[in-house]
Order: sequence, then C-alpha cells, then structure tokens
Amino acid sequence: EDQVTQSPEALRLQEGESSSLNCSYTVSGLRGLFWYRQDPGKGPEFLFTLYSAGEEKEKERLKATLTKKESFLHITAPKPEDSATYLCAVQWGRGGATNKLIFGTGTLLAVQP
Amino acid sequence: DTAVSQTPKYLVTQMGNDKSIKCEQNLGHDTMYWYKQDSKKFLKIMFSYNNKELIINETVPNRFSPKSPDKAHLNLHINSLELGDSAVYFCASRLAGGAYNEQFFGPGTRLTVL
Repeated sequence: EDQVTQSPEALRLQEGESSSLNCSYTVSGLRGLFWYRQDPGKGPEFLFTLYSAGEEKEKERLKATLTKKESFLHITAPKPEDSATYLCAVQWGRGGATNKLIFGTGTLLAVQP
Repeated sequence: DTAVSQTPKYLVTQMGNDKSIKCEQNLGHDTMYWYKQDSKKFLKIMFSYNNKELIINETVPNRFSPKSPDKAHLNLHINSLELGDSAVYFCASRLAGGAYNEQFFGPGTRLTVL
C-alpha cells in the first residue's frame, strides 16, 4: 500500500540546535516529493519539490534531500520563527491532472529561544 | 494578491443541516482540489477537478458534492451533515501541465458539526 511516514511526530529544539526531519515513502512511480510548512490556523505553505534521488534544494535555514526511499529536511541553526508543522507529500499518478498528493502526518517542530 | 481563497473561514452548524464552502483561485491554474484535515492534522484528498471536469473522487460519501462552475472556482456542498464531518477543509490549486507541480493551498475552512 502506498504510504508516507514522517518522524519524529514532534521535535523540540533550542534556538541554534540543528536537526533533521525524516519522510519515508513506499510509493511506486514517484512523480515528486514535496515539503510544506503549516502554521496553526493556516493552510500548508509550499517549501520544496524534489524529483529524483540525489537532488537537494535549499531555502534559508532549510535544506531538503531525497533518496530512493526517503527525504530529509535539515534545519540549520533554527530560530523560533521556524516553529511549525512540516508536512511531506508524495505525488503519484498516470500523469498531468490525474496526479495526486499523499501526505504524511507531519512533524510538529517547536524551537525555543 | 494572487492566492487561493476560501469562504467561510469558520462554519458551525447542527447535525443534519446542509452547508457549502466556496473556493476561488486567481493563479491561472487549471486543476483544483478539496482536502480534509482531521484532528490529527492528517491531510487527505477528497476531490480534484481539471478544467471543470471531475478527475479524482476518493470514495467520499455522496453527501459531499463538489461543483466547479469555471476553472477558477471549486465549491463543496455537504448535505445532511454528521458529527464526523467536523474537520478543516482545504482547497488547493495547481497548473497540471506546467513545469512545476506544486499545489497551493487556501487558508482552510474549519467546520464544526454540533
């Protein structure tokens, strides 16, 4: 069964303490892996798309990497404003408009000053 | 601002009532989605429309009926609301044939059924 699993469920860091979030997937015919950030009471905000193993993307303190079975979201020297739920999603389908996202359950990140 | 917008933001209603949620996007996208996020924050796709045509229906009860009057709008009507329908509903959009695949989400509608 196609599945996306994120770990840990929750992570508490001190400001400046780097760490990584994991997203493992069992989807055949992957057409992209997406990372989103969700703040309380808001919709998911797009961060990165990764398409092939070995690919890396960076944005400020965040860096996303992809292997054939999992993706990591590395957070370097986090700040309190990085606190949010981070969602991973994989896209699969026959192509074009039929593609759909399967989401993981997210990692709730809290960065304390 | 270019965005995906939803109305209302909050919806509180009694069991058995019928309600609608509206979604509009001005991003020029051709594909729109409805997602349901439960109390554990799990986001699950419900429907997808491409150019006003239903292309994904994830075995959602018949009480849920989406309607897309044009590419920029996707509404969700729910009949005979049940307690289990309480959740946050997100609309999203995407350009299916574009170089980039990401979906852009609206702010959500929190539905509470009493």
